[in-house]
Amino acid sequence: AQSVTQLDSHVSVSEGTPVLLRCNYSSSYSPSLFWYVQHPNKGLQLLLKYTSAATLVKGINGFEAEFKKSETSFHLTKPSAHMSDAAEYFCVVSGSQAGTALIFGKGTTLSVSS
Amino acid sequence: DAMVIQNPRYQVTQFGKPVTLSCSQTLNHNVMYWYQQKSSQAPKLLFHYYDKDFNNEADTPDNFQSRRPNTSFCFLDIRSPGLGDAAMYLCATSRDLVSGEIGEQYFGPGTRLTVT
Repeated sequence: AQSVTQLDSHVSVSEGTPVLLRCNYSSSYSPSLFWYVQHPNKGLQLLLKYTSAATLVKGINGFEAEFKKSETSFHLTKPSAHMSDAAEYFCVVSGSQAGTALIFGKGTTLSVSS
Repeated sequence: DAMVIQNPRYQVTQFGKPVTLSCSQTLNHNVMYWYQQKSSQAPKLLFHYYDKDFNNEADTPDNFQSRRPNTSFCFLDIRSPGLGDAAMYLCATSRDLVSGEIGEQYFGPGTRLTVT
């Protein structure tokens, strides 16, 4: 069975400082992993995805994530936070079996202060 | 631009009065999903269509139904809305990849449903 755990429900950073949002996963298949961002009252936007190619994945808006199989982790990072990064972030796992839907983490709220 | 469109963005309905939310896509994806998202929670999958095949999640109440008349459109029908059904409803699409996996999902902006 697949599952995903976001280790922090809320992360607060200052503008210009690094961002780290932590995610661990469990999957009986070779997983595809995603990070989505959701701004208030908006739909979800794909930040980046891992699909068994390069383990370091670069996404939009300066975000990147590293797939570490030995640690079953897929943490999201950004070198320098911007005020516009304040949002809800979801780590998501998908199986390799056709028809399998996404498994969402519970989300991490990122706050950015000036 | 190819996209997922949801109408209306905001819907107010009365307790027990049927309501329909609509979703359309120009991506030509064969899989379409409906999620319910309550405040400060992750989206919860209600059901999805794999082409014309309907797949209901085990814990989706019978009060929720869906129709997909063609590839582009998908509807969510709530037969008798209760106060607990007030939420954001998200539509998403995805397509099969050559490897047999399902690709990433593309989400619409959502419809916020209020039940009075």
